[in-house]
Amino acid sequence: AQTVTQSQPEMSVQEAETVTLSCTYDTSESDYYLFWYKQPPSRQMILVIRQEAYKQQNATENRFSVNFQKAAKSFSLKISDSQLGDAAMYFCAYRSGWRDDKIIFGKGTRLHILP
Amino acid sequence: SAVISQKPSRDICQRGTSLTIQCQVDSQVTMMFWYRQQPGQSLTLIATANQGSEATYESGFVIDKFPISRPNLTFSTLTVSNMSPEDSSIYLCSVARSRYQETQYFGPGTRLLVL
Repeated sequence: AQTVTQSQPEMSVQEAETVTLSCTYDTSESDYYLFWYKQPPSRQMILVIRQEAYKQQNATENRFSVNFQKAAKSFSLKISDSQLGDAAMYFCAYRSGWRDDKIIFGKGTRLHILP
Repeated sequence: SAVISQKPSRDICQRGTSLTIQCQVDSQVTMMFWYRQQPGQSLTLIATANQGSEATYESGFVIDKFPISRPNLTFSTLTVSNMSPEDSSIYLCSVARSRYQETQYFGPGTRLLVL
């Protein structure tokens, strides 16, 4: 069975600095998708970024980028120029490319932004 | 993306009672899902709501406790039956436009407290 591991329950970063959130996963599949979701306090969960496993190029969305290491089964999220609005719980997630529709979530990393 | 609303946004209920949560999407979607997020925890899939047929439940979740309806392609309900304090959680609806669309979009969630 697939698993997603986020080893950092909490992290803090100074405003305007860069922070990297770690995620590792385990799968025997070759076709899959990886996601980072953001859940601000008492607010809606939103998709930050996604990566298709068949693409070697790392996905980027403005200040958010990933470091996708397929062989190492690692999928870290880098947030550049951190802003107060980035404070949230971040979930790494995995979805099989073909087997079923279920998304498997990691336990999350709570990110604090220090002014 | 899709615009998803949930009702109620929050509720406080007495043990032994039932609560029905509604999920409404602004456009037709093929896939609708219900998740539970216990306090400080990650998301766990309860079931996939299938239009025109019975929901598909994940291990540990049963229809008698969490009956689900999906009368059309824009609406679903989840009922939490015979509630106990252990059912206190956030319940989230998510959607995907098609079975093969890998990205799920989430509703704002329903915060449930059972006394």
